[in-house]
Amino acid sequence: EIVLTQSPGTLSLSPGDRATLSCRASQSVYNNYLAWYRQKPGQAPRLLIYPASNRATGTPDRFSGSGSGTDFTLTISRLEPEDFAVYYCQQHGSSPVTFGGGTKVEMK
Amino acid sequence: QLQLQESGPRLVKPSETLSLTCTVSGGSIGVNYCSWVRQPPGKEPEWIAHISYSGNTKTDYNPSLKSRVTISLDTSKNQFSLRLDSVTAADTAVYYCALIPSVWGQGTMVTVSS
Repeated sequence: EIVLTQSPGTLSLSPGDRATLSCRASQSVYNNYLAWYRQKPGQAPRLLIYPASNRATGTPDRFSGSGSGTDFTLTISRLEPEDFAVYYCQQHGSSPVTFGGGTKVEMK
Repeated sequence: QLQLQESGPRLVKPSETLSLTCTVSGGSIGVNYCSWVRQPPGKEPEWIAHISYSGNTKTDYNPSLKSRVTISLDTSKNQFSLRLDSVTAADTAVYYCALIPSVWGQGTMVTVSS
């Protein structure tokens, strides 16, 4: 099973700041089948980036994904109020599908 | 645009079976991987299983739940279903159906309690 470790656990930032979130896999993610989601309270996860560096339909261009193999990064160039939420990475290149523990981006 | 909606009981007694159905609208399931994911309160999501059909049916299960889970697909109704046997309080969670990674249902909170 591929274990995804997200860091940091919490990011305390202000609107307009840049956010850098990390997702590290315990082994290489096949074909970089790595997704990033944003989840707001009471809502389902919403896909932002897949695979690894491609913005999903409707994802604002302030979101960018990078990385390959075992190290992946989600960058939010300028935080908007709606970006204060929890972010998860997820891989489905290998079975079982696994999720990271999440990074909470909170308002400072 | 595809939309997913979960349905089923929101309260299940310990040792009984949890059964949920996902109805897909706005298009056909096609050859998508139809997945079930759950998320206990305050925790990260956990993948349960997926099923797909492209001439024959393929299923895959999370090893941690495999002995208790059955996933099935009804392409004529554009639905897929989850069955989780012998539930305990640890199975209390929001259950989502999803076409990973892009389309998710809104989720349904299922509580296991007597």
